[in-house]
Amino acid sequence: QSALTQPASVSGSPGQSITISCTGTSSDVGGYNYVSWYQQHPGKAPKLMIYDVSNRPSGVSNRFSGSKSGNTASLTISGLQAEDEADYYCSSYTSSSTLAYVFGTGTKVTVL
Amino acid sequence: EVQLVESGGGLVQPGRSLRLSCAASGFTFDDYAMHWVRQAPGKGLEWVSGISWNSGSIGYADSVKGRFTISRDNAKNSLYLQMNSLRAEDTALYYCAKDMFDPWGQGTLVTVSS
Repeated sequence: QSALTQPASVSGSPGQSITISCTGTSSDVGGYNYVSWYQQHPGKAPKLMIYDVSNRPSGVSNRFSGSKSGNTASLTISGLQAEDEADYYCSSYTSSSTLAYVFGTGTKVTVL
Repeated sequence: EVQLVESGGGLVQPGRSLRLSCAASGFTFDDYAMHWVRQAPGKGLEWVSGISWNSGSIGYADSVKGRFTISRDNAKNSLYLQMNSLRAEDTALYYCAKDMFDPWGQGTLVTVSS
């Protein structure tokens, strides 16, 4: 159950778009459309931003979008805002065990 | 409003046991799978364990398999995590989360230290 690989940090200026990658294997990201993305502000619980690769829960801004190609999923934040500065994690269902999930290593997004 | 409230964390010596609880409200608890996820201080998220709505399917991370036991009581709208043979590396904030990891509780801190 190795963690999915994410870049440690990504930065952008207000209004720009950034993309965070999440690389796994055919046993997780590549094998299932059960990739999710979470936003975590310091001292707070994670918040679901994207589920099933590209779906947004009610209330999440349409500036957040998700996609997947092969073993790599991506989260794009468009029109970057100061409030988007946070840690972001991906997760995927994995076939390594029953009812098992694996999280990404996390990416710190900085708004310059 | 969906609410998840964890409890039971604290300071415990290596090798000892602790039982975490998660009280759920605002949704039909026995319709959903539930999970425990932990976050060591300053580190990332780690899935710990998951349980299906009827306890028929249960999974564990390799790091806790054989030491931790997840369970639920649908009559009490509660999720549990029995943690035995605790190690220093189990020190973390433990979150419970509903189904597709939405939402999460605020977490309960477990510190394993002598």
